Amino acid sequence: EVQLAQSGAEVKKPGESLKISCKGSGYSFTTYWIAWVRQMPGKGLEWMGIMYPGDSDIRYSPSFQGQVTISADKSISTAYVQWSSLKASDTAMYYCARLALGVAGPFDYWGQGTLVTVSS
Amino acid sequence: EIVLTQSPATLSLSPGERATLSCRASQSVSSSYLAWYQQKPGQTPRLLIYGASSRATGIPDRFSGSGSGTDFTLTISRLEPEDFAVYYCQQYGSSPWTFGQGTKVEIK
Repeated sequence: EVQLAQSGAEVKKPGESLKISCKGSGYSFTTYWIAWVRQMPGKGLEWMGIMYPGDSDIRYSPSFQGQVTISADKSISTAYVQWSSLKASDTAMYYCARLALGVAGPFDYWGQGTLVTVSS
Repeated sequence: EIVLTQSPATLSLSPGERATLSCRASQSVSSSYLAWYQQKPGQTPRLLIYGASSRATGIPDRFSGSGSGTDFTLTISRLEPEDFAVYYCQQYGSSPWTFGQGTKVEIK
């Protein structure tokens, strides 16, 4: 069974750093693209970027380029998104999702989400 | 960037009725790389339709997708109580991948 297990909720202060994770299981982690999606409170879905763990190819949405860093450790089938200096506006639910059918694929499996709260 | 505009923002219907949701793209979506997702409160989005008209695994046949180019439609033939949710369209043929703002289907 395909599963994407995300790390737990985080409460941080503005200016702090953070790295959240998404561990894939039940499929070949290195042969599927992984996406990160933001959902701010009460709002819609926003695509942040995608990564191919097999060769570390990464593509960012222009809205998130320079704001986050996407990475993966294929030895433990885990993808990450990290912030070097959080802002209150980073408060949101963050989902990872697997792309079916290659880089031009829909998101067929989703993680349960990681809630990030940034507040002083 | 392809902007997806969904309409209406909210659809108020009764169980058993037909729901028709629209997704319009600011430019043509290549190869009909258009998907629909369902999200219930407090839950993860679920893939319903991909390639504009193909149902994802396990999705009931009351859900159907159609369209091409810039105009796409999600139809729910007869609403079940569990279908009341927010629906998002997404294009994945042109980077950056983008989502529509969502249509909420609520009980009338």
